[in-house]
Amino acid sequence: GAVVSQHPSRVICKSGTSVKIECRSLDFQATTMFWYRQFPKQSLMLMATSNEGSKATYEQGVEKDKFLINHASLTLSTLTVTSAHPEDSSFYICSAREGTSGETQYFGPGTRLLVL
Amino acid sequence: GQQLNQSPQSMFIQEGEDVSMNCTSSSIFNTWLWYKQEPGEGPVLLIALYKAGELTSNGRLTAQFGITRKDSFLNISASIPSDVGIYFCAGGAGNMLTFGGGTRLMVKP
Repeated sequence: GAVVSQHPSRVICKSGTSVKIECRSLDFQATTMFWYRQFPKQSLMLMATSNEGSKATYEQGVEKDKFLINHASLTLSTLTVTSAHPEDSSFYICSAREGTSGETQYFGPGTRLLVL
Repeated sequence: GQQLNQSPQSMFIQEGEDVSMNCTSSSIFNTWLWYKQEPGEGPVLLIALYKAGELTSNGRLTAQFGITRKDSFLNISASIPSDVGIYFCAGGAGNMLTFGGGTRLMVKP
């Protein structure tokens, strides 16, 4: 149980385009989903917290107009990187928290974004 | 953002050896979690600890939630090559997780 999927697993795009990443909880309802960014050989950096039906809460320094988050249902959250630039290239990982599991988060497999 | 102090940063051990890693913090946490991440993948939950003093095993893995609620350790017994990866601790409080910097484990067959 507690499986989280992410799509796509990797994407290459041209500078200036927008990229949408989907995060789905497959066998549970996720009251809260989280979006992280991970640089090579570093730990996970929280970008934003997404609650179903409400606006996402962004961490300091994360541009909400650049990283659009939508959490339209209890099983789906999307992250859209708008007008992507090469510096946005990174590994993006989502996680989901089940209502009954306290602070435990289950992670998706990640999306590797490369902006040319 | 805040990180937990996780040590060691890396370990290179012989197959069959036991491994120990730990995380410490100046803050109190309600939950301690241990994850393993392999290259190009997301972290996979290994063990979740919910009570101070709790000692939990998952196969060859054993983890404990420190009695002060400010630390946790993870032990791996009789390591095998597939244990290779990066292990992250995470402390949970206020519905958020704070991560350690990771321990990179390398196992020599």
